[in-house]
Amino acid sequence: KAGVTQTPRYLIKTRGQQVTLSCSPISGHRSVSWYQQTPGQGLQFLFEYFSETQRNKGNFPGRFSGRQFSNSRSEMNVSTLELGDSALYLCASRLTASNEKLFFGSGTQLSVL
Amino acid sequence: GQSLEQPSEVTAVEGAIVQINCTYQTSGFYGLSWYQQHDGGAPTFLSYNALDGLEETGRFSSFLSRSDSYGYLLLQELQMKDSASYFCAVTGGFKTIFGAGTRLFVKA
Repeated sequence: KAGVTQTPRYLIKTRGQQVTLSCSPISGHRSVSWYQQTPGQGLQFLFEYFSETQRNKGNFPGRFSGRQFSNSRSEMNVSTLELGDSALYLCASRLTASNEKLFFGSGTQLSVL
Repeated sequence: GQSLEQPSEVTAVEGAIVQINCTYQTSGFYGLSWYQQHDGGAPTFLSYNALDGLEETGRFSSFLSRSDSYGYLLLQELQMKDSASYFCAVTGGFKTIFGAGTRLFVKA
């Protein structure tokens, strides 16, 4: 069974642009969550989707948004990019909302210049 | 607020035992998880404690005391490949909160 797939692996953007990241969960997993990882900051929770609905959201500005499709694939969008948005963006899937085990993708490394 | 505290770095020698502690201040979460992340890699799930006590999985063990809001990850018979970052985390209500991570250096 294929793991969590994130595309693209690397992205370089300039300030003010917007970006869309994609995440395909493990087949059968219905929950997808997104995290921002910067050196020394751990993984900061962005949001979690289940059955195409955002169920919870972390403490990030409205420039960060996402959605989930009927096949459980998810996209994350960041608008009006800022230098501080440079980070590794990880998505994770889990089988159900009550399952604590997260399966992570390899992430998208975003650099904002 | 909700937070998990863990040491930023731990160094140990190959073959030794190391304990990584995690204290948390959260509400609405149940249990404590641990993840391992090698440089350039994705975090991978190690263990989950839903109840107080010790859970053992091979060389790794994890402990939880909910009354003390405290847990730890115990790594035995350390190997060079155990050099990585280790994160504690709590999950609940469609939300997972991670600690900042502990960087483990294993020396020969």
